Amino acid sequence: KQEVTQIPAALSVPEGENLVLNCSFTDSAIYNLQWFRQDPGKGLTSLLLIQSSQREQTSGRLNASLDKSSGRSTLYIAASQPGDSATYLCAVVLGSARQLTFGSGTQLTVLP
Amino acid sequence: DAMVIQNPRYQVTQFGKPVTLSCSQTLNHNVMYWYQQKSSQAPKLLFHYYDKDFNNEADTPDNFQSRRPNTSFCFLDIRSPGLGDAAMYLCATSRLGGASNQPQHFGDGTRLSIL
Repeated sequence: KQEVTQIPAALSVPEGENLVLNCSFTDSAIYNLQWFRQDPGKGLTSLLLIQSSQREQTSGRLNASLDKSSGRSTLYIAASQPGDSATYLCAVVLGSARQLTFGSGTQLTVLP
Repeated sequence: DAMVIQNPRYQVTQFGKPVTLSCSQTLNHNVMYWYQQKSSQAPKLLFHYYDKDFNNEADTPDNFQSRRPNTSFCFLDIRSPGLGDAAMYLCATSRLGGASNQPQHFGDGTRLSIL
């Protein structure tokens, strides 16, 4: 059974700092991996999707990497801002209907 | 413009009283999913519809059922809610088939409280 782990569970950084969030998964037979952002009491906003054949994907200040063989992904946030404060979830995609298996998330606080 | 719409945003029901949550989409996606997310936990897939085909996760309680009357709408029915069913319920959609994998799109969720 696929298990997804995110470390750390919570992270607090000063504004302007670059940071890395980590995600690991136990079964490398995935279709792709998705990073989401969740604000308190809200749904999920898709940030980046990395296909299984890709190594990384970039969008603005965000860069996500994928190493399938080691079962790891990282989300790099450059020049963090208070507006980046949220919970970041990674999810691996598998199954015929591309079901998502989520990690528990990293709660990020960026201090002004 | 909201593409996956969940109603209501907040739902309160009594212990044991049936409740229905709704989800609609304007994306014309062929797959719709229901996830349950308890406080500070990962979202957990309950079931999904691939077109009209219903697929239940093995550990989804029998108390939970779903209906998809057409492409745009999907409902989550909880027949006899217990205190442990209090959670955020998230609806998502995706389009399968075609050249590449597409990200899932989520609604804002319905937060269910049980009295």
